[in-house]
Amino acid sequence: QLVLTQSPSASASLGASIKLTCTLSSGHSRYAIAWHQQQPEKGPRYLMKLNSDGSHTKGDGIPDRFSGSSSGAERYLTISSLQSEDEADYYCQTWDIGLWVFGGGTKLTVL
Amino acid sequence: EVQLVESGGGLVQPGGSLRLSCAASGFTFSSYAITWVRQAPGKGLEWVSGFTGSGGSAYYADSVKGRFVINRDDSKNTVHLQMNSLRAEDTALYYCAKVGSSSWSDFDSWGQGTLVTVSS
Repeated sequence: QLVLTQSPSASASLGASIKLTCTLSSGHSRYAIAWHQQQPEKGPRYLMKLNSDGSHTKGDGIPDRFSGSSSGAERYLTISSLQSEDEADYYCQTWDIGLWVFGGGTKLTVL
Repeated sequence: EVQLVESGGGLVQPGGSLRLSCAASGFTFSSYAITWVRQAPGKGLEWVSGFTGSGGSAYYADSVKGRFVINRDDSKNTVHLQMNSLRAEDTALYYCAKVGSSSWSDFDSWGQGTLVTVSS
């Protein structure tokens, strides 16, 4: 069964960097994912598509501070030089024939 | 610029029906899959249904299979979600999203959502 696992919460200080993790279920380690950001009281915003080799394609207007990387079944979203507007929920998303799947989301607090 | 605009949400009683619409512009509509994603109050994102592009097929999450029907009108660049036998647990903000480069890919654009409330 295709499942994505995310930690419920994370925090880091203003100006620091943080690496969020999304883990693919067993047998699905070569799957690509996408990262989405949802700021408070707003709709989701597409950040990037991230492949198993770590290559990624960002959405329009996504700052260079956002980057992606991969290792085995883990997919990462790194945000550098954290700003207050980065405080949001971050969701990973993947797909297979017949379905699309979301992780449970990580709530990022910028201290 | 890709735009997705949802409409049709509202208050409905348990067991009732509602039809949501997603109007799209800014891309070759018929070539892309369009999906519906919902978010219950205080909860995460849940994929609900999708219709692949170019005369494709409909797909549903288990939670709505047999109750919801998705269809698309490529002549009007619109996707509809007919929701029947609605339950309290269907209460959510419903978003439509465009799928990227192929039918099975990431969601690269989102609408702003339409609120569905199921309550007596």
